[in-house]
Amino acid sequence: DAGITQSPRHKVTETGTPVTLRCHQTENHRYMYWYRQDPGHGLRLIHYSYGVKDTDKGEVSDGYSVSRSKTEDFLLTLESATSSQTSVYFCAISELSTSWLYFGAGTRLSVL
Amino acid sequence: DAKTTQPTSMDCAEGRAANLPCNHSTISGNEYVYWYRQIHSQGPQYIIHGLKNNETNEMASLIITEDRKSSTLILPHATLRDTAVYYCIVRVRETSGSRLTFGEGTQLTVNP
Repeated sequence: DAGITQSPRHKVTETGTPVTLRCHQTENHRYMYWYRQDPGHGLRLIHYSYGVKDTDKGEVSDGYSVSRSKTEDFLLTLESATSSQTSVYFCAISELSTSWLYFGAGTRLSVL
Repeated sequence: DAKTTQPTSMDCAEGRAANLPCNHSTISGNEYVYWYRQIHSQGPQYIIHGLKNNETNEMASLIITEDRKSSTLILPHATLRDTAVYYCIVRVRETSGSRLTFGEGTQLTVNP
C-alpha cells in the first residue's frame, strides 16, 4: 500500500473554530489531493497540489485553504469550521505518468 | 470528463463472477476508463483502467465494448471481502492533475 498517513483520524470541533488536517506521504509523489465524501454526493475534490507551493482549487473549495511547503505534506485548513463541513475527508496522491490515485484512510470530522 | 451511469446496487453469490456494468456513451477518443472501489469506512482503492483493449490484473478484468460506450468490470471469483462500492470513472489521462470525479457508484454485496 502507498505510504499515506492522515491525521487526525477523527476530530470533533465547534462551529467557528479553525481546524487543520494533515496528509503525509512517503512516496515522493508530485500530486496531492483533498476530497470530501458526503452521502448523496460521492467524492468531491476540494483542492489539489501539483508541486511544492503549487496548489489549485477543486469543485468545492469555498471555506477551505491548503498549503504544501514540503513534497511530503499537504495541509487542509478550515479557517472557521461550519456544520456543513462535517464530512469524511480523504487525501490522495498520484504520479502524473500513471494518473491513478492512492487514497489515505480518511479523517472523520464533526463540526457541532 | 465524460459522465458515467452505473446501477445503484447489485448482489452476487460468493465464489461466482461479479459483473459490474458502466455506461459511458459520451466518452471521447482520448478518455480512459478507470475503476475504483471503496470498502466501508476505508479510502477508495484503484482497481484497473483501460482505453480500448480489454485489461486484466490480479484483482479484476475490464471489458470495454468496441464502440467504447460501455464497459464491464469482472471480479472472477467474488469473496465476501469484495463487498464494496465500485466507481467507474472516465477521464483524459496525462492532463495536469488527476482530478477524478467520482459519482455514486454501485454497491456490490457478495452473499455467502
